Amino acid sequence: NAGVTQTPKFQVLKTGQSMTLQCAQDMNHNSMYWYRQDPGMGLRLIYYSASEGTTDKGEVPNGYNVSRLNKREFSLRLESAAPSQTSVYFCASSETWGRAYEQYFGPGTRLTVT
Amino acid sequence: QKEVEQNSGPLSVPEGAIASLNCTYSDRGSQSFFWYRQYSGKSPELIMFIYSNGDKEDGRFTAQLNKASQYVSLLIRDSQPSDSATYLCAATTGGFKTIFGAGTRLFVKA
Repeated sequence: NAGVTQTPKFQVLKTGQSMTLQCAQDMNHNSMYWYRQDPGMGLRLIYYSASEGTTDKGEVPNGYNVSRLNKREFSLRLESAAPSQTSVYFCASSETWGRAYEQYFGPGTRLTVT
Repeated sequence: QKEVEQNSGPLSVPEGAIASLNCTYSDRGSQSFFWYRQYSGKSPELIMFIYSNGDKEDGRFTAQLNKASQYVSLLIRDSQPSDSATYLCAATTGGFKTIFGAGTRLFVKA
């Protein structure tokens, strides 16, 4: 049981390049999330998917797109990378029943845009 | 703008003492609250969640919730050097979304 996995772990891009961050979970969770974490700013929600087939914008969606490929996989795409997108990106998943919706995080992708 | 606020610290406590971490939230509609621990260079790890007013205990950790004051706290008893990390407070808001605070750095001195 791997939990939440993310690839790649590290990436360096030049301004204007594109890339896709991959995320998969094996906990049979309905909801999945993408966050970015910058120093001193905590985790900020980029996009989330409450269930397979749905996606919604979070707090900072500009410059990103997502795809909920199936129940297990949720990818984040940067179409034209900018230095402001240098950050650590975390994927998370949660169940959607009960009251807590506690989230479980992947190991993160450290992205540098030069 | 819905917010979760935490003192950034660092909070420094001696080994064996009680560490007290606090957070406030702005959305009165928030129903569930979480504490995550994050070691440097690692991902957040869930410690506890709470959704009822009062205290919830799990081992050395106690979460406290006061919805009237919009206040959540985490007490760590018998603090160990291995507890040194950043602690993130989070609150649900608007369905499945969760807002995170910026975190409090805790340093436990041996």
